[in-house]
Amino acid sequence: NAGVTQTPKFQVLKTGQSMTLQCAQDMNHNSMYWYRQDPGMGLRLIYYSASEGTTDKGEVPNGYNVSRLNKREFSLRLESAAPSQTSVYFCASSTAGTDTDTQYFGPGTRLTVL
Amino acid sequence: AQSVTQPDIHITVSEGASLELRCNYSYGATPYLFWYVQSPGQGLQLLLKYFSGDTLVQGIKGFEAEFKRSQSSFNLRKPSVHWSDAAEYFCAVGQTGANNLFFGTGTRLTVIP
Repeated sequence: NAGVTQTPKFQVLKTGQSMTLQCAQDMNHNSMYWYRQDPGMGLRLIYYSASEGTTDKGEVPNGYNVSRLNKREFSLRLESAAPSQTSVYFCASSTAGTDTDTQYFGPGTRLTVL
Repeated sequence: AQSVTQPDIHITVSEGASLELRCNYSYGATPYLFWYVQSPGQGLQLLLKYFSGDTLVQGIKGFEAEFKRSQSSFNLRKPSVHWSDAAEYFCAVGQTGANNLFFGTGTRLTVIP
């Protein structure tokens, strides 16, 4: 039982390049989330998927797209990376809507955009 | 609007001393409250959570937190800090079915031997 896994762990991009961050969970959770973490700002929600087949914008969605590929996998895509997207990205999952609505986090992807 | 405030950016304590990390929230409905810990270069690990019932909740690693509705607070405490507790601590508030957690900006804990 690996929990929430993310790939890659580190990535350096040039401005304008694209990339996809991968996330998978093996806890049979319905909901999945993408956050970014910036110094002094805590975590901010980019997008979430309440269930397979649905996605919704969070607090800071501009410049990102997501795909809920199946119940296990939720990817985050940067179509044209900008230096402002330099951040640490965390994926999380939960059984939202139940009494045990707790989010479990992956180890993160550290992205630098030059 | 929902918000979480962690007023202390950085706290330094001696090993063996007691610890209290402050968290205040602003939330219209009955909140669900969480404390997470993040070690350097790692993801977030859940320490404890409050959903309902007893306002004093116990977590992992000897941590506890008390929900005080009248003060809109959910402070984290530990009676005796260990060097391995050095990390960043995040308070978060959410609501079942709302599909979002609001995080504070974090408190970095340094432990002096």
